[in-house]
Amino acid sequence: QVQLVQSGAEVKKPGASVKVSCMASGYIFSSYGITWLRQAPGQGLEWMGWISIYNGNTNYAPRLQGRVTMTRDTSTGTAYMELRGLRSDDTGLYFCARDIRRFDHWGQGTLVNVSS
Amino acid sequence: DMQMTQSPSSLSASVGDRVTITCQASHDINDYLNWYQHKPGKAPKLLIYDASNLETGVPSRFSGSGSGTDFTFTISSLQAEDIATYYCQQYESLPYTFGQGTKVQIK
Repeated sequence: QVQLVQSGAEVKKPGASVKVSCMASGYIFSSYGITWLRQAPGQGLEWMGWISIYNGNTNYAPRLQGRVTMTRDTSTGTAYMELRGLRSDDTGLYFCARDIRRFDHWGQGTLVNVSS
Repeated sequence: DMQMTQSPSSLSASVGDRVTITCQASHDINDYLNWYQHKPGKAPKLLIYDASNLETGVPSRFSGSGSGTDFTFTISSLQAEDIATYYCQQYESLPYTFGQGTKVQIK
C-alpha cells in the first residue's frame, strides 16, 4: 500500500534551517510529484510547493520563494523540504503528500517548533 | 493568487442531519476542486476530487457538486466520526490554495 513516512519533530532557533524528509513506498516513486504543505497552530492548510520526482522541477509558493528548497533522491525514494531563515511564524505541522492533481496520500506530519 | 471563500467557518449539527458547506472561487476554476477532511493531529484525508468524484473507500454520505466558481460539499447524514475541519482546495492555478476551513461539531 502507498505510504509516506516523514522524519521526526524538530526544534529550531530563529534564523536556523530545517530539513524534513518524506520516504515513499508502495508505488513507483518517479511517476508522481510530491507536494509539501503546512499548518500553523490554529490556522488552515497552506500549500508550500511541489517537486516533480521524474525530473526534479519545482514550483514554490511566492511567499516562501528564496527560503525553501525541495529536492528528491530517487535511489532511496525520499523527498526533502528545506526551509531556511526560520521565524516563529514557521512553527507548525509540515506534511508531504503525493500529488496527482489531488493529494491522495499524506505523510503523518512533522512538527517544527521555532523558538528562542 | 486564486482566492477560495469557504462558508460557514463553523457549524453545529445533530447526528443524522444533512450538512452543507460552500466554497466560492475568485475566478473560474472549471471543476478543479478537491475536498479534504482534517482531524486534529492527523493527516488530512481526501474525500472528493474533481468537484464531484468520491475517493475510493470514502463513505457515500459524502458528496460534492459544482463547477466554475461555486461549489458545494454535503454530508447527507452526519455521523459522530465526521467531527473534523473540512477544506476545499483548487488546483486550477498555482499556487494551489485552500478555503479557510469549516469546523463541524455535534450539537
